Amino acid sequence: DQQVKQNSPSLSVQEGRISILNCDYTNSMFDYFLWYKKYPAEGPTFLISISSIKDKNEDGRFTVFLNKSAKHLSLHIVPSQPGDSAVYFCAAKADKLIFGTGTRLQVFP
Amino acid sequence: DARVTQTPRHKVTEMGQEVTMRCQPILGHNTVFWYRQTMMQGLELLAYFRNRAPLDDSGMPKDRFSAEMPDATLATLKIQPSEPRDSAVYFCASGLAGWDRVNTEAFFGQGTRLTVV
Repeated sequence: DQQVKQNSPSLSVQEGRISILNCDYTNSMFDYFLWYKKYPAEGPTFLISISSIKDKNEDGRFTVFLNKSAKHLSLHIVPSQPGDSAVYFCAAKADKLIFGTGTRLQVFP
Repeated sequence: DARVTQTPRHKVTEMGQEVTMRCQPILGHNTVFWYRQTMMQGLELLAYFRNRAPLDDSGMPKDRFSAEMPDATLATLKIQPSEPRDSAVYFCASGLAGWDRVNTEAFFGQGTRLTVV
């Protein structure tokens, strides 16, 4: 059973606009949530995280929102840039780190 | 330049052969993960270790996969015998887990792309 779900396998956004990537989870014991970015032929790299005691964390163009009651988190990228084109994984932690299936973001000019 | 190192980067092998993948975690990290990337499952957790002790290997097919940490600088993932359905990219990641759960991000290696023919 998939404890962390990313229901959109792909997303296409115009440069300069907002990208919103979504993630749902089922385990209420998760206490930390992370987003990773992956380029082809490379390992995932950490992007931004949020503790379960917060509902928002911002780092430059990236903001992660957490809605614990809905067991939902989202990553907002504003403004989107062509270099943001990659696969984005959300992950949830309760000791071990569980990843979703990823969303491929394409930012076009 | 601290990084997770995985070898080999690519491996092509025939069905039935033994495959060993190696990982050198970042010095000082006490947690090591093994993941497999597939189209359907995304990043699938196979096993993880804390302070070299296996904590969870429920994601691995027990009959053919084994994971070990002979010492703090080396983690191995073995497949014996290998099958075509094992073809995937295998990632190792390391992190530092403390009692207060600070520093919870994991750092990934570049992966081993395994092809079983």
